Amino acid sequence: EDKVVQSPLSLVVHEGDTVTLNCSYEVTNFRSLLWYKQEKKAPTFLFMLTSSGIEKKSGRLSSILDKKELSSILNITATQTGDSAIYLCAGGIQGAQKLVFGQGTRLTINP
Amino acid sequence: DGGITQSPKYLFRKEGQNVTLSCEQNLNHDAMYWYRQDPGQGLRLIYYSQIVNDFQKGDIAEGYSVSREKKESFPLTVTSAQKNPTAFYLCASSGLAGGLDTQYFGPGTRLTVL
Repeated sequence: EDKVVQSPLSLVVHEGDTVTLNCSYEVTNFRSLLWYKQEKKAPTFLFMLTSSGIEKKSGRLSSILDKKELSSILNITATQTGDSAIYLCAGGIQGAQKLVFGQGTRLTINP
Repeated sequence: DGGITQSPKYLFRKEGQNVTLSCEQNLNHDAMYWYRQDPGQGLRLIYYSQIVNDFQKGDIAEGYSVSREKKESFPLTVTSAQKNPTAFYLCASSGLAGGLDTQYFGPGTRLTVL
C-alpha cells in the first residue's frame, strides 16, 4: 500500500525562526513529490520535485528530495505569521495520475 | 478567470438523505479528483476521473458516487450509505500544461450531517 508520512504533525515556533518539515514516502512507481500549503480552505501548490529536479527554492521556502532515503524536507527561513498553515506532502504515482497525501503538518508561527 | 469552483460552500444534510456536491473547472484539465479531509488529517482520495465518461475508485469510495459527463464538471453524490459523511470535501483538477501531477484545488464544501 502506498504511504506518505509527515513529521512533526504539529509545530509551534516564534516569528523569525527557521523550521524544517519532513516527509517520507513509500510509493510504488514513484514519479514526483509535491508540497502544498493549506491556510483556510484550498491547498495551494508550492513545489514539485522529481528525479530531474531534486531541489527547489522560492523566496524563504526551499525543498529537497532525497531519493535514496525516500524522503523530502521543506525549509522555511525567517518565518512570518503568514506562514501559519497546514503543509501537505504528496507522492505522485507513475502511470496512475494520482497523488497519495500525508497527514499534514500544522505549523503555527507566534509573533 | 481560470479556476475551479465548488458549491455550495456549506451544506447541511439530514441522516438518510443523498446530497450532491458540485465541482466545475475552466482550466481545460482532463483529470479531476474528489478528496475528503477530516479534522487534523490529510486528504483521502474518494474518486478520480482521467477522462470524460470514465472514473476510478479511490481509497474511500464506499458510500459515494460520481459522474463525468462533461470535461468541465465532476459532481460528487454523498449517499445515505456513507456512515460518517461530516467532513470537508475538496475537488481538484490536473492537466498536461501544469504537469500531470500538479493538482489545483477548489475552495471546498463543508458538509455537516445533522
